[in-house]
Amino acid sequence: EAGVTQSPTHLIKTRGQQATLRCSPISGHTSVYWYQQALGLGLQFLLWYDEGEERNRGNFPPRFSGRQFPNYSSELNVNALELEDSALYLCASSRRGSPLHFGNGTRLTVT
Amino acid sequence: GENVEQHPSTLSVQEGDSAVIKCTYSDSASNYFPWYKQELGKGPQLIIDIRSNVGEKKDQRIAVTLNKTAKHFSLHITETQPEDSAVYFCAASIEARGNNRLAFGKGNQVVVIP
Repeated sequence: EAGVTQSPTHLIKTRGQQATLRCSPISGHTSVYWYQQALGLGLQFLLWYDEGEERNRGNFPPRFSGRQFPNYSSELNVNALELEDSALYLCASSRRGSPLHFGNGTRLTVT
Repeated sequence: GENVEQHPSTLSVQEGDSAVIKCTYSDSASNYFPWYKQELGKGPQLIIDIRSNVGEKKDQRIAVTLNKTAKHFSLHITETQPEDSAVYFCAASIEARGNNRLAFGKGNQVVVIP
């Protein structure tokens, strides 16, 4: 079974630009979760998508947004990038009632 | 919301010894407690989980215990090996209506000394 795949693995952007991160869930999984892992802060919940709808949102500004497509893949968009957005962005997928399975993340660097 | 804390932040053990990581949580409604292992350059990998209807679960060298009254849970690794060196995260959630949103601790760096 293929795991959660994320692209790109690394992304370098300039402050003020926009970043788009992509995630493909495990086949059969309908939920996608996005987490931010900044140095020393653990994993912070960003967004939860299920069946194409945004179900829950963490304590992040509106410039963090995303969507889930009919094939259950997902995009995370970060607008007006700031230096403190530099982090590892992790995507996880699950079926209802099953554990979260994480991808290897996208390392976003904002200069 | 749920707040999860982990102790200690770094743990060094001799190969073959046991390692114990403790976590506390704040929301008494939390009923699902997974543990993840993250190796360098990789995403977190689920290693064991426990639900609030049991007090202990074991899988080979790994075990997790849960004390609902005190709101804490612990990961026990016995007969540690160098490949156990990683960052370990505990998490908690309220499983309801398909919501698996997890609140994570900040992680423990475990170093196994050969």
